[in-house]
Order: sequence, then structure tokens, then C-alpha cells
Amino acid sequence: GAGVSQTPSNKVTEKGKYVELRCDPISGHTALYWYRQSLGQGPEFLIYFQGTGAADDSGLPNDRFFAVRPEGSVSTLKIQRTERGDSAVYLCASSPGVAGGPYEQYFGPGTRLTVT
Amino acid sequence: AQKITQTQPGMFVQEKEAVTLDCTYDTSDPSYGLFWYKQPSSGEMIFLIYQGSYDQQNATEGRYSLNFQKARKSANLVISASQLGDSAMYFCAMREGYNTDKLIFGTGTRLQVFP
Repeated sequence: GAGVSQTPSNKVTEKGKYVELRCDPISGHTALYWYRQSLGQGPEFLIYFQGTGAADDSGLPNDRFFAVRPEGSVSTLKIQRTERGDSAVYLCASSPGVAGGPYEQYFGPGTRLTVT
Repeated sequence: AQKITQTQPGMFVQEKEAVTLDCTYDTSDPSYGLFWYKQPSSGEMIFLIYQGSYDQQNATEGRYSLNFQKARKSANLVISASQLGDSAMYFCAMREGYNTDKLIFGTGTRLQVFP
């Protein structure tokens, strides 16, 4: 079956612009996660959805970052007034289970964001 | 304090040999899960193995096994019979408690397998 997909695969934007990154999880997966991976680092948690609601948004770095999942499937990560420090690979993952279970997260290929 | 520590930035192993990648973790929550992921140069994160804090036995998945030493808070990944395709970054990650599924990742170990 289809895995997690993310669009675009690459995004180059100018400092100060607004960007949207899209994630399409595996069908039927109720949990969806966003991570950010900077060069040479492990992924860093941003936000986690269970269904339509954000169950944990403690990783969002500031109020320029916002994510939605209005129908409990596709999610969009929105970044306002982009800064050069936002440049990273943004990874989306989904999993089938409720919190605390032994469910691995299935990752998408990522969106490489470059802010010039 | 770091929640997940991977002290080996890089490791080399000869094909067909076994290799151990180190991971230590820090949590006061009695319920947690430990994961290992592989990230090839293509960038995708591939799940390898999972160990729950209450699991009595070490997890195994094919050539991968997890050496779980709870008292030492270590969860080392053992890859047996290394293959050239095992060359990649390897990340250890932890989920704390039952109320969240967020993963905390280490900085990774780059494994290179040579013929």
C-alpha cells in the first residue's frame, strides 16, 4: 500500500515569506507527527495529532509555526515569516495506534525547506 | 540533560561481521519505549526494532537485536552479519509515558560497512 507522502519534496523560499508543507499519512492511521531534522542532527519533534486535534504541540518553536489536520487525514504545516534558521528537512510520520502503544511511526520522505 | 545519547558519531564494520551501536537514555518515567531507526543516504527513516520498558526479553527482528539493560539505561542495537546495504545513519529514539507518542531522537551514528 501507499506510504506517507509529503509535498513538495523541495521548497526554496525567501526570508519573510509564508510556506505550507503538506503530509498525506497512511490510510487509516489516526496519529500524525511532524518533526524537523537539521543537518547532522536527529529529528526534533514539533507536533502530534490524534485524529483532528493536536495532542501535543510542545515542540513548535514559536508562534510562526502552525499545523492543522481538519479532517483527520491530511495535515499541513504552516510557517509564517520564514527565517534562515527554519531551513531543514521537515519529516511527517503516521502510526495506527493510540498513545503509549508499541506502534512504530512510519515516516515520509520529507520536505527539504531552504530559506534564502 | 540529554534524553538520548549516542556517543559514537561513526562506526566501521567489515561485511559479515557483527556490530553494536550504543544508546543510553534518561527518563524517570517507568513506562517508556525505545526505538531504532535507520536513515540511508536517500533520507527516509526506516523502523528497525522496538523495546518496551516492561518487556522481559530483548527484542529481536531478523539480523537486528536490542541489548536492553534497564538498570544501566542502555538500549544498544546489535546488527549481525553486516551487509553493505546496512551503511546508513542509525538513530535511537525514546517515547516517554503513555500520554504522548512523540519520539525523542539521539544525534545518530553513521555506520559504514566495508567489503
